[in-house]
Amino acid sequence: EDQVTQSPEALRLQEGESSSLNCSYTVSGLRGLFWYRQDPGKGPEFLFTLYSAGEEKEKERLKATLTKKESFLHITAPKPEDSATYLCAVQAGGATNKLIFGTGTLLAVQP
Amino acid sequence: DGGITQSPKYLFRKEGQNVTLSCEQNLNHDAMYWYRQDPGQGLRLIYYSQIVNDFQKGDIAEGYSVSREKKESFPLTVTSAQKNPTAFYLCASSPSAGLNEKLFFGSGTQLSVL
Repeated sequence: EDQVTQSPEALRLQEGESSSLNCSYTVSGLRGLFWYRQDPGKGPEFLFTLYSAGEEKEKERLKATLTKKESFLHITAPKPEDSATYLCAVQAGGATNKLIFGTGTLLAVQP
Repeated sequence: DGGITQSPKYLFRKEGQNVTLSCEQNLNHDAMYWYRQDPGQGLRLIYYSQIVNDFQKGDIAEGYSVSREKKESFPLTVTSAQKNPTAFYLCASSPSAGLNEKLFFGSGTQLSVL
């Protein structure tokens, strides 16, 4: 069964304290892995798509990496405005754009 | 501004009542989706539509219905057959339903049962 697991469930950081969020997956034929950011009471906002092991993408203080079994979202020197829930989703084998979402990591960055 | 508009933001349903959630997009996207979000669970796909006048069931379609009469609109009806409707409902769109198309989400509707 295709599955996506995110850890930790929640993470509290001090401003400037770098860390990583994990997304591990078991799918039959990974087509793509997505990271989204979700603020409370809002819809998710797209961050990155990764397609193959070894790929990396960066945006401001965020960097996403991908291996054959997991993806990491590295947050360097976070600021309070980085506080949000970060969602990981994978697209497995198939013809349509159906995603399997993880349960997310709730990040709180304290000033 | 281009985007996806969901309404209402909050909705209350009485027992035995059907309610309809609105989703409108002006991104000229072909594909539209409805997801349900519950605390501690990942987003789950209810229905999706790849083109006007066509839609497919997702993983949890029971108790829900949709229509796609216009490219811009994809309303979701939560019927009385859905026994646990309390959740945050998210509408999304993508340029097509092809592989690896990123999703654009609306701001969601919180549905609660009275």
